[in-house]
Amino acid sequence: DTEVTQTPKHLVMGMTNKKSLKCEQHMGHRAMYWYKQKAKKPPELMFVYSYEKLSINESVPSRFSPECPNSSLLNLHLHALQPEDSALYLCASSQDRGDRELFFGEGSRLTVL
Amino acid sequence: QKEVEQNSGPLSVPEGAIASLNCTYSDRVSQSFFWYRQYSGKSPELIMSIYSNGDKEDGRFTAQLNKASQYVSLLIRDSQPSDSATYLCAVNTPGFQKLVFGTGTRLLVSP
Repeated sequence: DTEVTQTPKHLVMGMTNKKSLKCEQHMGHRAMYWYKQKAKKPPELMFVYSYEKLSINESVPSRFSPECPNSSLLNLHLHALQPEDSALYLCASSQDRGDRELFFGEGSRLTVL
Repeated sequence: QKEVEQNSGPLSVPEGAIASLNCTYSDRVSQSFFWYRQYSGKSPELIMSIYSNGDKEDGRFTAQLNKASQYVSLLIRDSQPSDSATYLCAVNTPGFQKLVFGTGTRLLVSP
């Protein structure tokens, strides 16, 4: 059983929709991450939160908006996405930002029509 | 030159054989090295981490690190069909604020 839980597992949305991806971890980790992964490519870092503060934004378009309500929760708000944003979105956590042993959730498979 | 390089494969081995997966990295000051396994359609799973030169063994897995050659490898002994997956090498370098992933090697273990 994964200790990083992501919902929903699958999401289909139109380009005008607003939706959110959610992530929760129960390991007491203080760093949380959003990654995007396209087929046959490695995960691509989007955002890093450390102690609930945004510490890295990898020049992600503003149609993706992260939020960290508390140390266990991480959200990714989606608005006005493009079909090329269709991908597997992975949440991960680590003990802290300096610890690179990442534990990934099962991912949310997003399809933008 | 890519920062972390892996042969994309597929690497095909028969059941019971040793699978050897290789990874090279470009930044000499890299300090932490990780192997993740990713089954098709699933998320990456950390299987090994190694921080100092030499070998580190965990069950059927052995990670090998040679910082002088900028080379890290993963050996899987007694390969099983259930080991068939993509193996991602990831490297952490001081000053970089993120893990750098290789493109992964697809391993196929045939019964």
